[in-house]
Amino acid sequence: ILNVEQSPQSLHVQEGDSTNFTCSFPSSNFYALHWYRWETAKSPEALFVMTLNGDEKKKGRISATLNTKEGYSYLYIKGSQPEDSATYLCAFRGGSSNTGKLIFGQGTTLQVKP
Amino acid sequence: NAGVTQTPKFRILKIGQSMTLQCTQDMNHNYMYWYRQDPGMGLKLIYYSVGAGITDKGEVPNGYNVSRSTTEDFPLRLELAAPSQTSVYFCASSYGTGGKETQYFGPGTRLLVL
Repeated sequence: ILNVEQSPQSLHVQEGDSTNFTCSFPSSNFYALHWYRWETAKSPEALFVMTLNGDEKKKGRISATLNTKEGYSYLYIKGSQPEDSATYLCAFRGGSSNTGKLIFGQGTTLQVKP
Repeated sequence: NAGVTQTPKFRILKIGQSMTLQCTQDMNHNYMYWYRQDPGMGLKLIYYSVGAGITDKGEVPNGYNVSRSTTEDFPLRLELAAPSQTSVYFCASSYGTGGKETQYFGPGTRLLVL
């Protein structure tokens, strides 16, 4: 059974704070790591797909790094805004078969207070 | 493009009843997935399909069935509803191999089994 762990489970920050959270995944047989943003009452939306060790991706104030050798990815939000409040999901894709199955973490729920 | 659409949005079932959750995508994606999301948990894969006529089990397939007769449609069938199937169900699709490509999610179906 593959385990994908995210920490912390929840986070409360003030507007303007920068924050980061972690996704841990199996370090062997890596294929891809996905990050999704999931607002309440909506459906998950893709942020990044990362495939290479050392990858860094950026979208506005949100960025992510990837370390496949040690099995972790960090998501950073610079200068958090209330509209960043959401659950952030990471999902691991192993490389043993070509089927596109993602294993999701339980998510980190971010609440940004104005 | 409507993207991924799901019907119904919400349904209450009695124990032992059956129903079909509908999912349609208009992006000509090969890969389609069904997930369930329970409180405090990430998304768990129920079934997936790599193309019309081909389906396979995910992590939690018991109590569900699927079919994929066309590229666009991927219905999920609950034969004998049980309280443990109370959940929010998300359908998703992706293009290509489905590993490095992002998944696009529908709006979800909230199911309550009483």
